Amino acid sequence: EPEVTQTPSHQVTQMGQEVILRCVPISNHLYFYWYRQILGQKVEFLVSFYNNEISEKSEIFDDQFSVERPDGSNFTLKIRSTKLEDSAMYFCASSGVATNEKLFFGSGTQLSVL
Amino acid sequence: AQSVTQLGSHVSVSEGALVLLRCNYSSSVPPYLFWYVQYPNQGLQLLLKYTSAATLVKGINGFEAEFKKSETSFHLTKPSAHMSDAAEYFCAVSHGTSGSARQLTFGSGTQLTVLP
Repeated sequence: EPEVTQTPSHQVTQMGQEVILRCVPISNHLYFYWYRQILGQKVEFLVSFYNNEISEKSEIFDDQFSVERPDGSNFTLKIRSTKLEDSAMYFCASSGVATNEKLFFGSGTQLSVL
Repeated sequence: AQSVTQLGSHVSVSEGALVLLRCNYSSSVPPYLFWYVQYPNQGLQLLLKYTSAATLVKGINGFEAEFKKSETSFHLTKPSAHMSDAAEYFCAVSHGTSGSARQLTFGSGTQLTVLP
């Protein structure tokens, strides 16, 4: 089965630093997503992206966050000036066009902000 | 607003026993419902989904779930647990309309332990 690939698997950063989490979605997918899971809490939706623009975002996704599809294969999440509470597992996902198509998730990037 | 509640953060069953993981949803519109499984150090993998077709949905690895509108439930079952089923299971809901259909709201997860 095709896979969504995320790098790195673990990222440690100092508070206030910028981080970029990278994802390679499945090649023929058109929708891309970021979710996160703070330790001990629910998986939360951050943002969805289609046709080179954000299609939906949650209240968590504030000005500190941005997403980009810099080329035809990568999808990135940038967190500017990281805070301690940004520590979480970040999941990338992708899906096809149909509204009931399943999301394929990557294995996640564990971000630790010190 | 939509939400899901998973009853029981930890469930233990013996190998060969019935697995029952509970999920209740709240949605103001007809929902799409999903069960995802997460094995250690892996991403979320879709087990099955309900999208307003048959109320009994069969998924991978012998799992199935039944959509019961009267009970607002979507419980996950498997007749006979296998050691390889040990994982965390997440119920999720989305709106059945475009635009919001891709914004999944997850439950808090149920860790399934299978005892030999």
